Amino acid sequence: AQKVTQAQTEISVVEKEDVTLDCVYETRDTTYYLFWYKQPPSGELVFLIRRNSFDEQNEISGRYSWNFQKSTSSFNFTITASQVVDSAVYFCALSVDQAGTALIFGKGTTLSVSS
Amino acid sequence: DTGVSQDPRHKITKRGQNVTFRCDPISEHNRLYWYRQTLGQGPEFLTYFQNEAQLEKSRLLSDRFSAERPKGSFSTLEIQRTEQGDSAMYLCASSLGSGDYNEQFFGPGTRLTVL
Repeated sequence: AQKVTQAQTEISVVEKEDVTLDCVYETRDTTYYLFWYKQPPSGELVFLIRRNSFDEQNEISGRYSWNFQKSTSSFNFTITASQVVDSAVYFCALSVDQAGTALIFGKGTTLSVSS
Repeated sequence: DTGVSQDPRHKITKRGQNVTFRCDPISEHNRLYWYRQTLGQGPEFLTYFQNEAQLEKSRLLSDRFSAERPKGSFSTLEIQRTEQGDSAMYLCASSLGSGDYNEQFFGPGTRLTVL
């Protein structure tokens, strides 16, 4: 069975602080896909990134960076110099089907950034 | 606006009533997904269509739930004899469904409240 664990329920930081959101996944499949989505207060899930299991390269996009480590089954997400607009619920998700069917989501981490 | 749209955005109904939600995917996307999200949880997969064919259904989709996607365009999700436990946000997503893994893009959701 597949599972995604986001152990941090809520995180509060002050603007300009760096923050890391943890994600640990479980799967026996050798090919899988990992995702991060952002859900702002408006409610619409916004796709941030997808990583394939065979590509462990870390990725940076502006203030966002992702650290994928197969050895620890983790796919952590770091926001550098956080801003108030980063306040949202962040979900990590897993899919084991290349056809792109069910996403298995974690319970999410609520990030609150205060000014 | 070329994103996924859902209608209505909010629905309040009394227990025992039937409700129907509509999802319009991104126009060139041939895959369509339904998820349910309850408070404090990540979205949970319900069902998935490839064009007009319903290819996968979660065990969460009880007999009271039915989804259709006539002509492979918009989709409807009907809940019969609603129960208070059906109160949730119902999310629709779509993806291209060709070539390499395709990300799912989510709509704003329909929030259902069953009194």
